[in-house]
Amino acid sequence: SQTIHQWPATLVQPVGSPLSLECTVEGTSNPNLYWYRQAAGRGLQLLFYSVGIGQISSEVPQNLSASRPQDRQFILSSKKLLLSDSGFYLCAWTRGIGQPQHFGDGTRLSIL
Amino acid sequence: QQQVKQSPQSLIVQKGGIPIINCAYENTAFDYFPWYQQFPGKGPALLIAIRPDVSEKKEGRFTISFNKSAKQFSLHIMDSQPGDSATYFCAASGTGANNLFFGTGTRLTVIP
Repeated sequence: SQTIHQWPATLVQPVGSPLSLECTVEGTSNPNLYWYRQAAGRGLQLLFYSVGIGQISSEVPQNLSASRPQDRQFILSSKKLLLSDSGFYLCAWTRGIGQPQHFGDGTRLSIL
Repeated sequence: QQQVKQSPQSLIVQKGGIPIINCAYENTAFDYFPWYQQFPGKGPALLIAIRPDVSEKKEGRFTISFNKSAKQFSLHIMDSQPGDSATYFCAASGTGANNLFFGTGTRLTVIP
């Protein structure tokens, strides 16, 4: 069966520090991968998606970036975090267009 | 622009009641409509999904009703239980889309 892992589960970072969140998927190959951000009590905002290694599409311009160095690995990064980057970051995967998305358990990021 | 509009924002029902959550969309190219359930601190989990060739789908106590002409769909939870207390998201996508469009979520509380 397929599983998706995100780490760390929680992270507290100072303003201006760098960020690296990692997501990996097991049990499938060539998944579509997604990064979402969820503000407290709000819906899901799509940040990036990838249909293959090295292929990244950005939905929202900001100081975050994403990379896909391996087929089942998706990384969310920032060189300098802002207060507004606080939130719950979720990674998801799907087999393809129009297929169910499956989410990891997220990373709670707090910026001080 | 919100592609999928969801209501109500919050809902409180007694145990055994039937909460109903409604969603509406505009894009007639959408052809996949999933519902997700999210518990605090966890990622959303796929609950049930429907495609527009059927008007209703049941899985256990959860039912999706779909009205293609009105471009609306809703989630009904039969015999609701305190364990159903969670945030519910509707979503929609089309075969040509690489991502899901999510509603803003409904926080459901089931009182014992």
